[in-house]
Amino acid sequence: QKEVEQNSGPLSVPEGAIASLNCTYSDRGSQSFFWYRQYSGKSPELIMFIYSNGDKEDGRFTAQLNKASQYVSLLIRDSQPSDSATYLCAVNAGGGSYIPTFGRGTSLIVHP
Amino acid sequence: GAGVSQSPSNKVTEKGKDVELRCDPISGHTALYWYRQSLGQGLEFLIYFQGNSAPDKSGLPSDRFSAERTGGSVSTLTIQRTQQEDSAVYLCASSQPGNPYGYTFGSGTRLTVV
Repeated sequence: QKEVEQNSGPLSVPEGAIASLNCTYSDRGSQSFFWYRQYSGKSPELIMFIYSNGDKEDGRFTAQLNKASQYVSLLIRDSQPSDSATYLCAVNAGGGSYIPTFGRGTSLIVHP
Repeated sequence: GAGVSQSPSNKVTEKGKDVELRCDPISGHTALYWYRQSLGQGLEFLIYFQGNSAPDKSGLPSDRFSAERTGGSVSTLTIQRTQQEDSAVYLCASSQPGNPYGYTFGSGTRLTVV
């Protein structure tokens, strides 16, 4: 059974700090990795995706992928209170499958 | 439309009743997904439609759950003989050809079975 694990948190960081969110997955053949942000009472929105080992940067967000260790992380630089949300990690096996497996999410709180 | 539209936004039903949840995807999006999110839980995949292909129903939790997609657009998720454990937020998402991972989620239907 494919599993995606995240620490439920909450992860609390001060405003301006770097928030580091981690995710591990069980299916070694996984090919695509996603981070979604979900505000309380709202639906998830895609903020980052990564396919290759290494780092991918987009503004204040950096996704890091290490397939050998089977983990993917999301760094949020200069964290803002508006970043406070639940961050969902999703992993797709590829091979024609477009149905990712989601983790339960990590709650992030950025306090002023 | 501009986004994925789901209706109703909230539904309270009595145990044993049938319910229908509707999803109207973004125009031109050929893929449509239903997920369920229970309190404090992650997203649980239910069913996936892609164009005219047979749907992937592998996530449906029981035969009380069914879904259809008419004309490759609007989808209806039906839950028969609802149980209290069916209470959750039901999310629909769609994606476009060439960008199968660029899901756009609807705002969801919060189902409460009493």
